[in-house]
Formats: sequence, structure tokens, C-alpha cells
Amino acid sequence: EVQLVESGGGLVQPGGSLRLSCAASGFTFSNYAMGWVRQAPGKGLEWVSGVSGSSIRTNYADSVKGRFAISRDNSKDTLYLQMNSLRAEDTALYYCAKYDVSGWYAFDHWGQGILVTVSS
Amino acid sequence: QSALTQPPSVSAAPGQKVTISCSGSSSNIENDHVSWYQQLPGAAPKLLIYETNRRPSGIPDRFSGSRSGTSATLDITGLRTEDEADYYCGTWDSSLSASYVFGTGTRVTVL
Repeated sequence: EVQLVESGGGLVQPGGSLRLSCAASGFTFSNYAMGWVRQAPGKGLEWVSGVSGSSIRTNYADSVKGRFAISRDNSKDTLYLQMNSLRAEDTALYYCAKYDVSGWYAFDHWGQGILVTVSS
Repeated sequence: QSALTQPPSVSAAPGQKVTISCSGSSSNIENDHVSWYQQLPGAAPKLLIYETNRRPSGIPDRFSGSRSGTSATLDITGLRTEDEADYYCGTWDSSLSASYVFGTGTRVTVL
């Protein structure tokens, strides 16, 4: 059974940093692209970033480009999201998600999400 | 990186059919696979449709997807109370800022 468990969220002041982690199990982690998707309170889904299985390819939403960095450690089956220069508008529930075998077209498994609150 | 456009809400009685549209462009829906997600209240999203019209294992055939040009559609037939949720389309956008894009979301209400 595929499991994705996020951690590292919490309350941070504007301008601060936070690193999210996502522990994966139940599949061959290195074979799949992974991504982060966020959802602000009462709002829709917003794709944040994605990384290929080998980490060769990364992509970012314009809203986080230059501030966030996605990475993965295939030896630990873990996905990361380093978030710097955080803003109030980054407040959201952050989901770790696994892309399906097609590569970049669909997320077939999701974590339960971790809350990040940016506030003074 | 503009979101795909969906109607804010649709509704129908149990047993009826609802159709949710997802409007995009030539850089996304017209030339890439579309997926659909269901988000029940308080839960993480769940994949309903991938590659525009394929269902993952365990998804009933009451859910079906299609595409025509720059728009995609999710049909839910035989509507049930447990279908009351938010639904999102999604696909890869191959424009200058290559990215994944989601639709604006549609709330389905079972009357």
C-alpha cells in the first residue's frame, strides 16, 4: 500500500524558513516523479513544485520560484520542500503527491497534508 | 500559469447526471492528458480519472472523462449522496513556464 506522510509544518514568521519532508513507502520511490501541492484555507488546489525520479528535472510555480526548492533522497525514500522568504500568502495545507507512471500528468497518491501558517 | 476554468458549482438529484467542464488552452488540455480529482470534505484529493478517460482501479464507471479541443469534461451518472465533494481537473501546461495546472474547482451538491 502506498503511503505518503508529511512532516515539518508549523507556524513561522514572515520572511522565515521551513523545510517539509514526505516519507514514502509501498512503492519504488526512485521510479516516480513526486510533487508538492498546496491548498490555502477555503481555496482550491495549487501545484507548487515537482521533481523527476532521478532529480534531473525540477519545476516550480511562478509564485514560489526562487524561494522554494524541491529535492529528494532516494536512499531514504523521502521528498523535501525547502521554503524560504515565506509570505502570508504561503499559508496553506501542503500535500505531498506521487505522479503516476505517465510521468507528469496525474497524481495517483496523496499524503494527508501538513499545515504551514505564516504569521507574525 | 493560469488555472483551468471550471464552474463553481453544479447540482442534481440522486440518480441524475452532472457534467463538469474544464476549459483550458492549446498549451494544456488540447495536447496533454487530463486528470480529475475528487476531494471529499476534510480529506486529501483522490484521483478519479487519468489520461483523460481512464479510471484507476476501484473507481466506479459512473465517473467518466472526455475531451474536445481545449475543454475537458467529467460526467457523473447515477449521482449518489457520497458524490457530494469538490472536483478538480488537472494537466501539464507546456507553455513557457512549464508547470502542472489545476482547475478552479467545482462543488457538486446532491439535492
